[in-house]
Amino acid sequence: QKEVEQDPGPLSVPEGAIVSLNCTYSNSAFQYFMWYRQYSRKGPELLMYTYSSGNKEDGRFTAQVDKSSKYISLFIRDSQPSDSATYLCAMSARGSSNTGKLIFGQGTTLQVKP
Amino acid sequence: NAGVMQNPRHLVRRRGQEARLRCSPMKGHSHVYWYRQLPEEGLKFMVYLQKENIIDESGMPKERFSAEFPKEGPSILRIQQVVRGDSAAYFCASSRQGYGYTFGSGTRLTVV
Repeated sequence: QKEVEQDPGPLSVPEGAIVSLNCTYSNSAFQYFMWYRQYSRKGPELLMYTYSSGNKEDGRFTAQVDKSSKYISLFIRDSQPSDSATYLCAMSARGSSNTGKLIFGQGTTLQVKP
Repeated sequence: NAGVMQNPRHLVRRRGQEARLRCSPMKGHSHVYWYRQLPEEGLKFMVYLQKENIIDESGMPKERFSAEFPKEGPSILRIQQVVRGDSAAYFCASSRQGYGYTFGSGTRLTVV
């Protein structure tokens, strides 16, 4: 079993739709949770960063972390064609052994159609 | 303030040759990470370095791969005697501490 599971998609939605992207994980030591966006042939770009459980909102993006279920989500409201990209969840453990190493999901490819 | 600079962007090597990938972190960043991305897969951690020190190399293959981050100059990921399975995108990231990485645009290695 992978430490982080993410449905690779592809996910295709019409412009303006609400998009829900999800990851599950198995390591209860994970405390830091991130979402990255990666356009084709580019490096990943940090979108959202959350510590422990709870919600975080930034513009059209909302990140949720449910540590009891080992489940994280990214919601995109009013999706735009420019949101078409691959979205990667990533997480990191805490503690003296933590080196900041991130464990990534496989990535979900999103296409927003005009 | 330039971002994380990686070069070359594209690198083609014949089987058995050496590949050297370079990464210049953002100004003020002393932590460098290397990740590998295979087709249809997420990023896999390879190594974490600080200046002149390898902190965590748990993701590095035991043979043919090495990394360094000298006191002066860029971080180098070196792959000796490349094989077709080494073909991938290699990304470098840098940070001030352990979090909030900034990634470079990657080096796409093709082994022919």
